[in-house]
Amino acid sequence: DQQVKQNSPSLSVQEGRISILNCDYTNSMFDYFLWYKKYPAEGPTFLISISSIKDKNEDGRFTVFLNKSAKHLSLHIVPSQPGDSAVYFCAASALGGANSKLTFGKGITLSVRP
Amino acid sequence: DSGVTQTPKHLITATGQRVTLRCSPRSGDLSVYWYQQSLDQGLQFLIQYYNGEERAKGNILERFSAQQFPDLHSELNLSSLELGDSALYFCASSVGPGANQPQHFGDGTRLSIL
Repeated sequence: DQQVKQNSPSLSVQEGRISILNCDYTNSMFDYFLWYKKYPAEGPTFLISISSIKDKNEDGRFTVFLNKSAKHLSLHIVPSQPGDSAVYFCAASALGGANSKLTFGKGITLSVRP
Repeated sequence: DSGVTQTPKHLITATGQRVTLRCSPRSGDLSVYWYQQSLDQGLQFLIQYYNGEERAKGNILERFSAQQFPDLHSELNLSSLELGDSALYFCASSVGPGANQPQHFGDGTRLSIL
């Protein structure tokens, strides 16, 4: 049973435009969410996180939106750059992060065209 | 560079064998996490150690075991290897025990079972 779902396996956008990466979850106990970026032959790199007490968190070009009622979160990248081309993983944890297990989605491959 | 070091980068072995994967966490991090990424799968949490003690357990097979040593490095032992154990194994570290903080990943060990 996949509790964190990234239903679109890939996304292609033009440089300078907005990239919107979506993530859905089924476990209502999840209350802390993270996005990771992964380049080939490297480990995942932490990008941004959000707690369930917020609905938006922003860090530079990256913004994460959380819709708890829909059990949906999204990562917006504005403007998109070719260096953003990578696999993006959504992850979630429960109990305010006191439960140290992270549950990951399968990832979305983002391609930013010059 | 995340500061997390994993060795070896690649490992090729046969079914029935036993291997040990090694992880050195970032300086100052007390938690070490192990994840498995199989083909077309997201990262699956295996186990976490915090300051030498097992903190959380995920979908780790009984054939697998781990430990964290006094110098905080960790080893993941995989025994009676099967073809299905072929995967990328990632180690991550964080300062504290909870998941409400970024986990920093190593570049992984690619295990191939022939």
